[in-house]
Amino acid sequence: QSVLTQPPSVSAAPGQKVTISCSGRSSNIGNNYVSWYQQLPGTAPKLLIFDNNKRPSGIPDRFSGSKSGTSATLGITGLQTGDEADYYCGAWDSSLSAYVFGNGTKVTVL
Amino acid sequence: EVQVLESGGGLVQPGGSLRLSCAPSGFTFSNYAMSWVRQAPGKGLEWVSGISGSGGSTYYAGSVKGRFSISRDNSKNTLYLQMNSLRAEDTALYYCAKAYIGISYFDYWGQGTLVTVSS
Repeated sequence: QSVLTQPPSVSAAPGQKVTISCSGRSSNIGNNYVSWYQQLPGTAPKLLIFDNNKRPSGIPDRFSGSKSGTSATLGITGLQTGDEADYYCGAWDSSLSAYVFGNGTKVTVL
Repeated sequence: EVQVLESGGGLVQPGGSLRLSCAPSGFTFSNYAMSWVRQAPGKGLEWVSGISGSGGSTYYAGSVKGRFSISRDNSKNTLYLQMNSLRAEDTALYYCAKAYIGISYFDYWGQGTLVTVSS
């Protein structure tokens, strides 16, 4: 059972927008930065968002992140078939002295 | 260009031991914390362990504490994960990941090395 909670799946048509929620507690999301990772089928995870809402070089601005209290959200606009992947949120947990990931969300482009 | 290469995976019997290695390149190794993250077949990501750039601080997930040991040799630019008392539930693809600002996020990942615990 993951410390951070995400919906198992979300879906939308090409060109539409999806949002993925990530719920935690004060010891992780509430007081630490959130990051998001994309894992395409058969590949290693890739950093999408760091420090709640920053994008690494090369990540298109169709991907966005936000945080409020003990929850975070990843948004994907202009959905493309190439966005079909598993998405994970993550954060340091100060109480556990451990990094924690969400359970992952599968994005399907209809 | 940053590259991360893991090695050392394989088939091991329950109760056995295995040591994984990770040899990153393209950045000043000693300046950055590193972590191991695993993914069981068909499952999500699970952070396993992390170590500071100097090696002076180490961190473990509850599921491996007391059985796994993370270390690094900054003179060899190599990260290790010593895994003892292995269980079937430790079967997974083990990723080595470069961390940033302590262990706040992971900006570079290897392709993983597969560990299978089975009799």
